[in-house]
Order: sequence, then structure tokens, then C-alpha cells
Amino acid sequence: GAGVSQSPSNKVTEKGKDVELRCDPISGHTALYWYRQRLGQGLEFLIYFQGNSAPDKSGLPSDRFSAERTGESVSTLTIQRTQQEDSAVYLCASSLMYSGPYEQYFGPGTRLTVT
Amino acid sequence: AQKVTQAQTEISVVEKEDVTLDCVYETRDTTYYLFWYKQPPSGELVFLIRRNSFDEQNEISGRYSWNFQKSTSSFNFTITASQVVDSAVYFCALRGGSGGSYIPTFGRGTSLIVHP
Repeated sequence: GAGVSQSPSNKVTEKGKDVELRCDPISGHTALYWYRQRLGQGLEFLIYFQGNSAPDKSGLPSDRFSAERTGESVSTLTIQRTQQEDSAVYLCASSLMYSGPYEQYFGPGTRLTVT
Repeated sequence: AQKVTQAQTEISVVEKEDVTLDCVYETRDTTYYLFWYKQPPSGELVFLIRRNSFDEQNEISGRYSWNFQKSTSSFNFTITASQVVDSAVYFCALRGGSGGSYIPTFGRGTSLIVHP
């Protein structure tokens, strides 16, 4: 079956512009996660969704970052007024449920470059 | 709070050598789940294995084996007779069984380089 997909795969934007990153999880997966991965670094947790709700937004780096999920499906991560330090790969993952022994399935990521 | 430590930042081996990637974790939960993921140079993380806290049975899958020891809070991963295709960054992760720890915690990753 189809895995997690993300779009765009690459995004180059000018400092100060807004960007939207999209994630399509595996159908039926109720949990969805966003991570940021800087070059050569580990995974930085940003936010997760249980269904359409985000119980914990504490991982978002600043109020320029927001995310939403609709229809227990697609999710959008929005970064307003982008800064150069936002440059990174943004990874989305989904899991059958947010609790229990369920592994995450990751998308290919969106590489964001802020010039 | 949960914590996963992968002390080895980078390991370099020659093909056919055996290599063990270490993972040490901390959690207050009595029920928890441990995972290993592989991130090849292409970038996409791939799930390798899951272990439940109540199941300490070790597992072998081909050249891969995992050693889970609750007494030392470790979940180590061994690759036998390594191959160039094993070159990747490997992440260990922990998910707790109670509300505050549902968010998976990842280690910083170990970069494995297998030379021909």
C-alpha cells in the first residue's frame, strides 16, 4: 500500500516568506508526527496529532510555526516569516495509534532552504 | 522524562566485520516500547524492529540481531558480517506506555560507515 508522502520534496524560499509543507499519512493511521532534522543531526520533535487534535505543541520552535490536520488525514505545517535557521529537512511520520506498540512510518521529507 | 542515549556518534568498519550499536534508555514507565530505525543516505527513515518492555527475548533477523536487557536498560543492535549497504544512520527510539510519554523519544543516532 501507499506509504507516507510529503510535498514538496524541495522548497527554496526567501527569508521572510511563508511556506506550507504537506503530509499525507498512511490511510487509517490516527497519529501523525512532524520532526525537523538539520544536516547531520538527529530528529527534533515538533508536534503530533491524535486524530485532528494536537495535544502537545510545546515542540514548536516559535510562534511562527503552526500545524493543522483535517479529516484525520492530511496535515500541513506552516512556517511564517521564514528565517535562515529554519533551513532543514522536515519529516512527517504516521502511526496506527498514538499509544501502544506501534511503529512510525516516515515520509521522504521536505528539504527547506531559506535564502 | 524519557531519554535515549546512543553514545557512539560514528562507527567505521570494514566489510564483513561484526558491529554493535549501543542504545541506553531511561524511563519511569513500567510499560514501554523500544524501536530501531535505519536512515540510509537516501534519507528516508525505515522501521527495523520493535520490542515491548515485557518481552526480553532477543531477536535475530538474518544478519541483524537485537539484545534487550532491562537490567541495564539497554537495547543493542548487532550487524553480523557487515556490508556496504548497511551504511546508514541508525536511530534508537523509546515510546512510553503512559500519557505523558506517548511522544517517541529518539537518540541522536549512530552513523555506520562500512568500507569495502
